[in-house]
Amino acid sequence: DARVTQTPRHKVTEMGQEVTMRCQPILGHNTVFWYRQTMMQGLELLAYFRNRAPLDDSGMPKDRFSAEMPDATLATLKIQPSEPRDSAVYFCASGLALTGTDNEQFFGPGTRLTVL
Amino acid sequence: GQNIDQPTEMTATEGAIVQINCTYQTSGFNGLFWYQQHAGEAPTFLSYNVLDGLEEKGRFSSFLSRSKGYSYLLLKELQMKDSASYLCAVSDSGGYQKVTFGTGTKLQVIP
Repeated sequence: DARVTQTPRHKVTEMGQEVTMRCQPILGHNTVFWYRQTMMQGLELLAYFRNRAPLDDSGMPKDRFSAEMPDATLATLKIQPSEPRDSAVYFCASGLALTGTDNEQFFGPGTRLTVL
Repeated sequence: GQNIDQPTEMTATEGAIVQINCTYQTSGFNGLFWYQQHAGEAPTFLSYNVLDGLEEKGRFSSFLSRSKGYSYLLLKELQMKDSASYLCAVSDSGGYQKVTFGTGTKLQVIP
């Protein structure tokens, strides 16, 4: 049963601390997305990768957020330093992009982050 | 960029039919998705429209009019488990799967 996994599922931290969230995409998918969801803003795209290369990270605050794909089975999203306004659910999703077409994205269970 | 508009909340009765509308203004368009999200869970894919017209999948149907920048999701024979948020999402042009989500419509199904 192929699915996207994310760790940790819940994280409570204090302002100023570093937070690292991890995602394992579905094997064979070539595109990985990071989203942030809050009640006020809904689901916002932070960054996404194609074949491990970053394609767009314009939705991400560059001064404190960074996203990487060290290998095809791992994507990371890091916040340093964290702030209370970063409190949200962070979703990772993966999909298989084919030239000229779009396909569904498969979402992980999310990491619920609380910054005190 | 993309601007997506959908109602914030809707209520419907078990067994009835409900239509959730979505309008969008886009700089590029490569298709429109509908996702379902139960409270506390991840979004799951429902449908994808790239051509004008109606796509039917069981109790759920999705319609697209590209000239009007309009889509709707139709849910028939509503069940209590259909209570969830329904997210409309538009894909940018070029097949890169960059998708912009609306803020979602929270549907409550009542007995």
